[in-house]
Amino acid sequence: QKEVEQDPGPLSVPEGAIVSLNCTYSNSAFQYFMWYRQYSRKGPELLMYTYSSGNKEDGRFTAQVDKSSKYISLFIRDSQPSDSATYLCAMSVYSGGGADGLTFGKGTHLIIQP
Amino acid sequence: DSGVTQTPKHLITATGQRVTLRCSPRSGDLSVYWYQQSLDQGLQFLIQYYNGEERAKGNILERFSAQQFPDLHSELNLSSLELGDSALYFCASSDRGPPYTFGSGTRLTVV
Repeated sequence: QKEVEQDPGPLSVPEGAIVSLNCTYSNSAFQYFMWYRQYSRKGPELLMYTYSSGNKEDGRFTAQVDKSSKYISLFIRDSQPSDSATYLCAMSVYSGGGADGLTFGKGTHLIIQP
Repeated sequence: DSGVTQTPKHLITATGQRVTLRCSPRSGDLSVYWYQQSLDQGLQFLIQYYNGEERAKGNILERFSAQQFPDLHSELNLSSLELGDSALYFCASSDRGPPYTFGSGTRLTVV
């Protein structure tokens, strides 16, 4: 079993729809959870960053973390064609000594149809 | 522009050769992380440096090595290159822990 599981898609939805992207993980030591957006093999761009369980909202994006279920989600409201990209979930264990690296999901390829 | 600078953007080289990839972190960031992204493996953590010292190793091959210099820029050295080393190599930086800011990557093609 991989540490982080993410459906690769593609996920195709019409413009204006609400998009739900999800990841599950197995390592209960993960404390920090991030969502990155990556266009056409460019550098990943940080969208959302959360530490605790619960919801965090930023504009059209909402990140949700459920540590008890080891499940994280990213919701995109009023989706736009420009949101078409690969969305990567990432998580880490932060030891406090600066020694850690991110574990990524494989990424979900999202297509927003005009 | 994320503030993390990677050079070169593209690199084509032959099997058996050695290359060096360079990364300049965002101003003020002390940690540098290297990642490899291939089509079948996704983004894989290679190695981390913090203020010049190696702090963590991930799935880094023995043919690969890295260092961080006093001005905090980092170099990733890849030697005895194989076709399977063709991938995107990303550098990320942070102050200490998460979140991390990524550069635009170096696309390495081994022929």
